[in-house]
Amino acid sequence: RKEVEQDPGPFNVPEGATVAFNCTYSNSASQSFFWYRQDCRKEPKLLMSVYSSGNEDGRFTAQLNRASQYISLLIRDSKLSDSATYLCVALLPWYSGGGADGLTFGKGTHLIIQP
Amino acid sequence: EAQVTQNPRYLITVTGKKLTVTCSQNMNHEYMSWYRQDPGLGLRQIYYSMNVEVTDKGDVPEGYKVSRKEKRNFPLILESPSPNQTSLYFCASSLTGKVDTEAFFGQGTRLTVV
Repeated sequence: RKEVEQDPGPFNVPEGATVAFNCTYSNSASQSFFWYRQDCRKEPKLLMSVYSSGNEDGRFTAQLNRASQYISLLIRDSKLSDSATYLCVALLPWYSGGGADGLTFGKGTHLIIQP
Repeated sequence: EAQVTQNPRYLITVTGKKLTVTCSQNMNHEYMSWYRQDPGLGLRQIYYSMNVEVTDKGDVPEGYKVSRKEKRNFPLILESPSPNQTSLYFCASSLTGKVDTEAFFGQGTRLTVV
């Protein structure tokens, strides 16, 4: 079974607020995790990788909790331009039945930043 | 510029008329994939290719074919399109299946089958 689950939202958040959302994964063999961002009618693009120790990139912080099998994305001081769909992605080893690149995508969380 | 190029971007066709969506990448990536994206269903993998002449089914391969004769190209073929194949299609490539692999996506092909 290879599933990555996210709350689809939409989350309506005022500009400047901090917003966080989680993603759970069911396959404990998942090796790596990513957050992708997808703007309306555009292609997904890598936002950041998620490491075991967590990582931060400007206003964005990603955390991984292997024990509970979830990853999180925190956005501080949200901007109007952060409005998008955020896709949680897990990388499965090829022997777990993932695709060649083993990427399993969640269905996405829709975020709307309001002025 | 590193990129994945899909063509066409938009296509309206009739049921049963064979079509091909092309995908080309200029990053010398080994791995290429095709996804379809539908409302409420997210991205679902159709086919993938680990290298030239190596292809395999993803989660939703029915009604599709692919080929990988050259490393840079990975066309998606619909031999007899049906209305349930109306969707947004993305081609993606990545270097390897190892840790930190990043998938680069094409701009998408919006297909309507009437």
